[in-house]
Amino acid sequence: DAGVIQSPRHEVTEMGQEVTLRCKPISGHNSLFWYRQTMMRGLELLIYFNNNVPIDDSGMPEDRFSAKMPNASFSTLKIQPSEPRDSAVYFCASSLIVGDTQYFGPGTRLTVL
Amino acid sequence: AQSVTQPDIHITVSEGASLELRCNYSYGATPYLFWYVQSPGQGLQLLLKYFSGDTLVQGIKGFEAEFKRSQSSFNLRKPSVHWSDAAEYFCAVGPSNYQLIWGAGTKLIIKP
Repeated sequence: DAGVIQSPRHEVTEMGQEVTLRCKPISGHNSLFWYRQTMMRGLELLIYFNNNVPIDDSGMPEDRFSAKMPNASFSTLKIQPSEPRDSAVYFCASSLIVGDTQYFGPGTRLTVL
Repeated sequence: AQSVTQPDIHITVSEGASLELRCNYSYGATPYLFWYVQSPGQGLQLLLKYFSGDTLVQGIKGFEAEFKRSQSSFNLRKPSVHWSDAAEYFCAVGPSNYQLIWGAGTKLIIKP
């Protein structure tokens, strides 16, 4: 079975540009998570969806960040405008139900110049 | 304050030797406890988890961890490491599966 799919795997952009990261969770999984990993702050939960509904977005750093889950098989994380301090690896993870094991995607390495 | 401490940033172990990675936490109640592994350029993979019951938990790839309530610890062990175990290991705790507090990680280096 395919795992969590993320695209692109690498993204290089210039400050001020819009960036959209994409995630396809494992089929049948009802919960989806977006994380950010940096050397300075480690792994941080940005937002969590359950049945396509955002449940907890307290980790979203600021209004420049937004996330959507229009259906059970697709989610996006958008940064607009992007800033150099947004450079990080962004992971998407999904789980069958709340409380179940999270399965992580390979991540998107974002570099904002 | 709730926190997770992995005191070792790097650990170097000879192939075939035993391994113990430390994880200490500060939490008001008995949390959910996890160990994840991240290979270079990859996402995180769950090694094992503890919710309740037997305090010695067996995981994948020959890893085990022991929950010690009195020491607020959840150390990860493996009796004999293989070169393929070289990776970064993360301990995480929380009141549920998604409200996790993550440790900073321990990078495991295997000497041939």
